[in-house]
Amino acid sequence: DAGVTQSPTHLIKTRGQHVTLRCSPISGHKSVSWYQQVLGQGPQFIFQYYEKEERGRGNFPDRFSARQFPNYSSELNVNALLLGDSALYLCASSLGPEGVSPLHFGNGTRLTVT
Amino acid sequence: KNEVEQSPQNLTAQEGEFITINCSYSVGISALHWLQQHPGGGIVSLFMLSSGKKKHGRLIATINIQEKHSSLHITASHPRDSAVYICASMAIQGAQKLVFGQGTRLTINP
Repeated sequence: DAGVTQSPTHLIKTRGQHVTLRCSPISGHKSVSWYQQVLGQGPQFIFQYYEKEERGRGNFPDRFSARQFPNYSSELNVNALLLGDSALYLCASSLGPEGVSPLHFGNGTRLTVT
Repeated sequence: KNEVEQSPQNLTAQEGEFITINCSYSVGISALHWLQQHPGGGIVSLFMLSSGKKKHGRLIATINIQEKHSSLHITASHPRDSAVYICASMAIQGAQKLVFGQGTRLTINP
């Protein structure tokens, strides 16, 4: 079975641009969560979607948005990119709601904003 | 507010040594996760536990709910165990989100 897949793997954008990151969960998993990991720090929770509904949101500005599609894949959108948005963006899927089911992570998308 | 602290931040040991990484959290939790992150970023889930102890191969995770503390142990450590180990907790009440520790960078020398 395929694991969690994220695309693209690397991305370079300019300040002010918009970016869309994609995540496909493990087949049968209904929960997708997004995390931002700045170099040298632990991940920070951005969003959780379960059964296509937003179940949690971290302390991120409204420039960050996400959605989950009927096939449970998900997109993370970031508008008006800032230099500080440069980070590894991780997606994780699980059978149940985030945190109380084992998590399966993708390899991440490394975003560089110049 | 749910806060997670790990210690030590960095740990270097010789192959074969017994390793302990500690994680403390500040609120009642429904689950505690231990994760392993290798250079390049990929994260692997090692354990999810809410009480007691779990063992997988040379790895052991324990949790003390009353003391709000968890430990990850590695027996007979090997250079391939070198990685960043991260704990994350899910609070019982409040915002339903995982809160992560800052990670422990483990280096095992041959």
